[in-house]
Amino acid sequence: AQSVTQLGSHVSVSEGALVLLRCNYSSSVPPYLFWYVQYPNQGLQLLLKYTTGATLVKGINGFEAEFKKSETSFHLTKPSAHMSDAAEYFCAVIPNFGNEKLTFGTGTRLTIIP
Amino acid sequence: EPEVTQTPSHQVTQMGQEVILRCVPISNHLYFYWYRQILGQKVEFLVSFYNNEISEKSEIFDDQFSVERPDGSNFTLKIRSTKLEDSAMYFCASIIDRGGSDTQYFGPGTRLTVL
Repeated sequence: AQSVTQLGSHVSVSEGALVLLRCNYSSSVPPYLFWYVQYPNQGLQLLLKYTTGATLVKGINGFEAEFKKSETSFHLTKPSAHMSDAAEYFCAVIPNFGNEKLTFGTGTRLTIIP
Repeated sequence: EPEVTQTPSHQVTQMGQEVILRCVPISNHLYFYWYRQILGQKVEFLVSFYNNEISEKSEIFDDQFSVERPDGSNFTLKIRSTKLEDSAMYFCASIIDRGGSDTQYFGPGTRLTVL
């Protein structure tokens, strides 16, 4: 069975500071990993995903994440936070054998301090 | 850019009533999903649907729930007799092909409030 743990339900950073949102997963098989963002009163939008190949993945809006198998982690980072980054961020996993069910973490609400 | 659409955006119903949530997936997508998110909790898988049948369902998806694709475009979730605990945001998603590497595209959601 797969599971996703997101450390920190709320993270606050100053505008211009580094954003680091943590995600650890457990999976019995190599996973596909995703970060989704949810802006207030909106649906889920894909930020980035890791399937195979390069372990450092770049996404939209300047975000990137690195798949570290040894640490079972897929942390999301952005060098410089912008006010528009304030949202809820969800890490999700799918096992890579064709099961299409996304298992989500509990989410991290990112607040940007002016 | 193609997108998944959902109607209504907000549905208020009385406990015990039937509700139908509607979704229009992206036109060339083949697999469809419903997820739900109870307020303040994580997004949970409900059901996946392919080739006019359910391919997987969660334990949440009991006999009160059903899905169908009544025509070539709509994908619906029906709750026969709503309970208070069904209050949640319901998201539809679609994917072009099976295989976890493809992206699931989510609709904006329907907020269901059961009174």
